[in-house]
Amino acid sequence: DGGITQSPKYLFRKEGQNVTLSCEQNLNHDAMYWYRQDPGQGLRLIYYSQIVNDFQKGDIAEGYSVSREKKESFPLTVTSAQKNPTAFYLCASTNAGRDSYNEQFFGPGTRLTVL
Amino acid sequence: AQSVTQLDSHVSVSEGTPVLLRCNYSSSYSPSLFWYVQHPNKGLQLLLKYTSAATLVKGINGFEAEFKKSETSFHLTKPSAHMSDAAEYFCVVSDLSGGSYIPTFGRGTSLIVHP
Repeated sequence: DGGITQSPKYLFRKEGQNVTLSCEQNLNHDAMYWYRQDPGQGLRLIYYSQIVNDFQKGDIAEGYSVSREKKESFPLTVTSAQKNPTAFYLCASTNAGRDSYNEQFFGPGTRLTVL
Repeated sequence: AQSVTQLDSHVSVSEGTPVLLRCNYSSSYSPSLFWYVQHPNKGLQLLLKYTSAATLVKGINGFEAEFKKSETSFHLTKPSAHMSDAAEYFCVVSDLSGGSYIPTFGRGTSLIVHP
């Protein structure tokens, strides 16, 4: 089955620790995205990548880092510099190009709780 | 620049009655517009999309939306609500501002369905 997987589903970390969230897709999509979701605020873009070895900051990149070494994988690291990391994190992918835009496919999400 | 406004944070309906979720957008280019649904602690699923073809778009589960350029609206409707429709709904706009397609999400509308 084609799709996007995120792991783990629930993650608990102590304050001050870095943590990496996994996102893998087997849809052969070029573009991948990380969003943060907080109640009543919709989805806010953290980072996106439109091609391997290239990525751009979104609206709320401070305290986060990413890598895109493989087309299928786009891990997100939440660093200790992120002031309020407790949230629901969603990964998405799409075949969006410069001439057309297709819908995004979303993973099931990872709920991060910092204690 | 693009933006999207979901006019209601919560909509409450009785089972079997019509659903209307309102969305207004702003875009400097010919936009693509989407509605996604999210059930609790899940990823987002595409309901329907508009990409400059027919202005009345039919989606899954009996939902449809009409693109009205003069009103810059893309409201989501369903003739008869079902209990399983209770979820969070997101309106999304995307255009080529900035040189690539980066979607902007509304803050979401929570649909409550009463028996």
